[in-house]
Amino acid sequence: DAKTTQPPSMDCAEGRAANLPCNHSTISGNEYVYWYRQIHSQGPQYIIHGLKNNETNEMASLIITEDRKSSTLILPHATLRDTAVYYCIVIQSQAGTALIFGKGTTLSVSS
Amino acid sequence: NAGVTQTPKFRILKIGQSMTLQCTQDMNHNYMYWYRQDPGMGLKLIYYSVGAGITDKGEVPNGYNVSRSTTEDFPLRLELAAPSQTSVYFCASSYGLYTGELFFGEGSRLTVL
Repeated sequence: DAKTTQPPSMDCAEGRAANLPCNHSTISGNEYVYWYRQIHSQGPQYIIHGLKNNETNEMASLIITEDRKSSTLILPHATLRDTAVYYCIVIQSQAGTALIFGKGTTLSVSS
Repeated sequence: NAGVTQTPKFRILKIGQSMTLQCTQDMNHNYMYWYRQDPGMGLKLIYYSVGAGITDKGEVPNGYNVSRSTTEDFPLRLELAAPSQTSVYFCASSYGLYTGELFFGEGSRLTVL
């Protein structure tokens, strides 16, 4: 699976958009980009995933560059409850493959 | 629908003791996983299972054993507890053919003294 690179930490003001980048320059054509987050002491929570096209759900938007070498997770109106560690993971969607988590980005949302 | 349930939530062990962390899911998921998370670190995969009777090692399997006799249950056993196994353990499951969307339990915090 392709390796991902994320900044260790980011800050965001409450109510503003939080844009979390992820670099995955070695991604191959059949690999998906997944985003999870982990609020302190809780189990990780799935946010969104995509292959080529941009995706949006009730939690966030995922923007994948045309060459697929990087992506950005967007939380459109960050709240204090969005303070968490955000993990970007690249994975082939095939039987028997398990997610490997890196260190992620710690997002701190302040008022 | 309880999702993924882990027990116990907290446990203190003495060095050399053994114990089993229980994990059960009620979503009829084929895939189940055990991760550990040390303070300030990301999650490390210990073992995973792609169905009843089938298990495989992850990144850090040493010191642990698993079994998968039913679809619902995936217990993790520590045979000879060591201080290095002090960690928070998370169980997770995913449905059908692997999609990457995992559902996690609330975690089990284990301290070995």
